[in-house]
Amino acid sequence: GAVVSQHPSRVICKSGTSVKIECRSLDFQATTMFWYRQFPKQSLMLMATSNEGSKATYEQGVEKDKFLINHASLTLSTLTVTSAHPEDSSFYICSAIRDGGTGELFFGEGSRLTVL
Amino acid sequence: AQRVTQPEKLLSVFKGAPVELKCNYSYSGSPELFWYVQYSRQRLQLLLRHISRESIKGFTADLNKGETSFHLKKPFAQEEDSAMYYCALSPRSGGYNKLIFGAGTRLAVHP
Repeated sequence: GAVVSQHPSRVICKSGTSVKIECRSLDFQATTMFWYRQFPKQSLMLMATSNEGSKATYEQGVEKDKFLINHASLTLSTLTVTSAHPEDSSFYICSAIRDGGTGELFFGEGSRLTVL
Repeated sequence: AQRVTQPEKLLSVFKGAPVELKCNYSYSGSPELFWYVQYSRQRLQLLLRHISRESIKGFTADLNKGETSFHLKKPFAQEEDSAMYYCALSPRSGGYNKLIFGAGTRLAVHP
């Protein structure tokens, strides 16, 4: 199967600190990954498209300096929430497309961020 | 504007009853439509996509371009169908990329 793993699954941090969330494709290579954000009882909102070896493409309204995305290898994308504030508390989900596959998205289990 | 609307937050049925989860979309081009499912404490996974015209776990969905709908149906619900269901649209023809999700409908199937 195609497994995508996120780490950490839960993180609590103080306001003003930065938090890094990792998204790994465990058994396949993924040039393209996506980061979503989900508020309680709401839908997934696409934040950005992460491309290996190039800059991420951010959706309108998403601050690229706030949410830093690095896709340094074909199996790892990281999302860093910089200078976190309580309103950044959310569920962050990544998904990946297998290189050479059908284009189907495989989702991670999500990471819950709580900013105190 | 590209938008996916799932009007029902919760759909509660008894085992064996028919199920229809509604999905309407707004898109000017030719979208790809999908249904994703999330079982309790599990990750989001693809249930079916309109281009494959297949039935998965007894579920079917037909794209109605005239009504801009992609409702998910199952004639006889099972308890194991209880989950969160998301309708999603891909604005990129021929691909699964960059999905736009609806708000989701929670299906609860009671014994």
